[in-house]
Amino acid sequence: NAGVTQTPKFQVLKTGQSMTLQCAQDMNHEYMSWYRQDPGMGLRLIHYSVGAGITDQGEVPNGYNVSRSTTEDFPLRLLSAAPSQTSVYFCASSYRLGGTEAFFGQGTRLTVV
Amino acid sequence: KNQVEQSPQSLIILEGKNCTLQCNYTVSPFSNLRWYKQDTGRGPVSLTIMTFSENTKSNGRYTATLDADTKQSSLHITASQLSDSASYICVVSARVGNNDMRFGAGTRLTVKP
Repeated sequence: NAGVTQTPKFQVLKTGQSMTLQCAQDMNHEYMSWYRQDPGMGLRLIHYSVGAGITDQGEVPNGYNVSRSTTEDFPLRLLSAAPSQTSVYFCASSYRLGGTEAFFGQGTRLTVV
Repeated sequence: KNQVEQSPQSLIILEGKNCTLQCNYTVSPFSNLRWYKQDTGRGPVSLTIMTFSENTKSNGRYTATLDADTKQSSLHITASQLSDSASYICVVSARVGNNDMRFGAGTRLTVKP
């Protein structure tokens, strides 16, 4: 029972480089989201999707792109990495909105130098 | 200002002792409140969920309380174990829109032998 799978677990980028963080879930959840977690702060929503083909911005979307071509996959793209994007990134999925339990991946620790 | 405030920021206790973590929120209109446990290097995992009408809910050695009038919740851990060492995150869901979860910054609990 895989749940939510994120890859890679660790990544180091140089300023200006681009990359894609992968997220896949096998629970047939409609709602998927990306968060970043920084020291001393709560998780902050970057982008979310309420179903295939539908995405929207969260609290901190600048510098990130997403797409949702299938129910299972929700990749997060960093267009031109900046040191301010150094963080731990979590992908989550849930059955629906309205405060249902969110299932999180194991996270990607990204360092931008 | 964060809509979900947790205290203390960090806590160290001896194995076998009890502890209580606090969560105050201003999120409105309130839908539910969850406590998540996040082990180091892992994603958060849901422990309990509290709805408006619930005052107390237990999950093994974890007991959550909710006072919706004062907008406070607590998580009580009984007979702590080394495996309880983790961050505990309070998440409050609102009943509006798609971006409905508000995360506290968490309390870092360390249980020492």
